[in-house]
Amino acid sequence: AQSVTQLGSHVSVSEGALVLLRCNYSSSVPPYLFWYVQYPNQGLQLLLKYTSAATLVKGINGFEAEFKKSETSFHLTKPSAHMSDAAEYFCAVSGAGSYQLTFGKGTKLSVIP
Amino acid sequence: GAGVSQTPSNKVTEKGKYVELRCDPISGHTALYWYRQSLGQGPEFLIYFQGTGAADDSGLPNDRFFAVRPEGSVSTLKIQRTERGDSAVYLCASSLYQRGAEQFFGPGTRLTVL
Repeated sequence: AQSVTQLGSHVSVSEGALVLLRCNYSSSVPPYLFWYVQYPNQGLQLLLKYTSAATLVKGINGFEAEFKKSETSFHLTKPSAHMSDAAEYFCAVSGAGSYQLTFGKGTKLSVIP
Repeated sequence: GAGVSQTPSNKVTEKGKYVELRCDPISGHTALYWYRQSLGQGPEFLIYFQGTGAADDSGLPNDRFFAVRPEGSVSTLKIQRTERGDSAVYLCASSLYQRGAEQFFGPGTRLTVL
């Protein structure tokens, strides 16, 4: 079985500050890992994904994430938050021969002017 | 190109009624997934199709839920004898059939059972 834990259901940062959203996973096999973003009243959009190539993955809108096998983590970062980054972020894993995604509960990011 | 579309966008029904939710995937995507997202939660897997057949339906909560994809394109999620606990946003996604492929999500259908 696979699972995802996102620490912090709500994170607030000041505009221009570092964004760090945490994700830990469990998977019995090397996983595929994803970060999706959901803006209010919109569908889920892929930010980035890890598929066993480079451990540092760059995504859209300046976001990146680093796969750390020893820590079973895939934290999402962005050096400087922008007001438009306010949204809910979901970490997801696919592994163990499955194609479907297992999602975390999400982290709502607020950006303070 | 066109993304994943879902109809209706909102559905309000009464307890005990039958509902159908439709998903139109991206052309050429052989894999199609249904998820359910309750308030304050991440999406939870329900079922996925490879072509016309259900490859994994282990996420369907009970036998009131059923999904079909008769021609390998459009899919319909069917819920019989709806209960208030079925109220959620139902999400559909499609992808190429390969592990690690990006899943493209539709906007969802918000189901409210009164």
